[in-house]
Amino acid sequence: QVQLVQSGAELRKPGASVKVSCKASGYTFTDYYIHWVRQAPGQGLEWMGWINPKTGGTDYAQKFQGRVTMTRDTSINTTYMDLGRLRSDETAVYYCARSGLRFGELLQFDYWGHGTLVTVSS
Amino acid sequence: SYVLTQPPSVSVAPGKAATITCGGDNIGTQAVHWYQQKPGQAPVLVVYDDSDRPSGIPERFSGSNSGTTATLTISRVEAGDEADYYCQVWDERSDQVVFGGGTELTVL
Repeated sequence: QVQLVQSGAELRKPGASVKVSCKASGYTFTDYYIHWVRQAPGQGLEWMGWINPKTGGTDYAQKFQGRVTMTRDTSINTTYMDLGRLRSDETAVYYCARSGLRFGELLQFDYWGHGTLVTVSS
Repeated sequence: SYVLTQPPSVSVAPGKAATITCGGDNIGTQAVHWYQQKPGQAPVLVVYDDSDRPSGIPERFSGSNSGTTATLTISRVEAGDEADYYCQVWDERSDQVVFGGGTELTVL
């Protein structure tokens, strides 16, 4: 069965960076895009960007450009999201999610990771 | 940037139908997806491409999309349907994924 397993909770100080991993199993890793979505406490879902595991190509939401980097390691079916210059209001649960691509159109997020809590506090 | 507007909350009695809307400019020309999120859990896809259901999702969940409004309808609502619901599109013009603000469904 398809699974996306994320790394554990992190605590960072403001100004630091954090790297969260997402290990895929149960499907061909390079056949689907991986997206990162975050959710602050009591707030809605916010899309951060995607990575194409086949090519390593990425696209980031304008809000995060220059501060986020998404990478992958195809040898272990894992993608990574690195967010720098963290602020205290960026405490949130960070999710990875899978989507397909159809004729250039990004499809729905059919599987999600369990989420990783990143706490930013001095 | 493209904006999706959802009502913050919807309340419904058990056994009745709940309707959750998602408004956006010409949204009827885009594929809309809906997610259910219960407290402390990751979102779950309940409707995709406006009106299709993933396997395992009850037929009580249905969707439609036309003009400036997409709609998620949950018929014969049960207590277990109480959750937050989010609509989502991929905005081709900006190549960005957009989520609605979410709707909290309360079962009375």
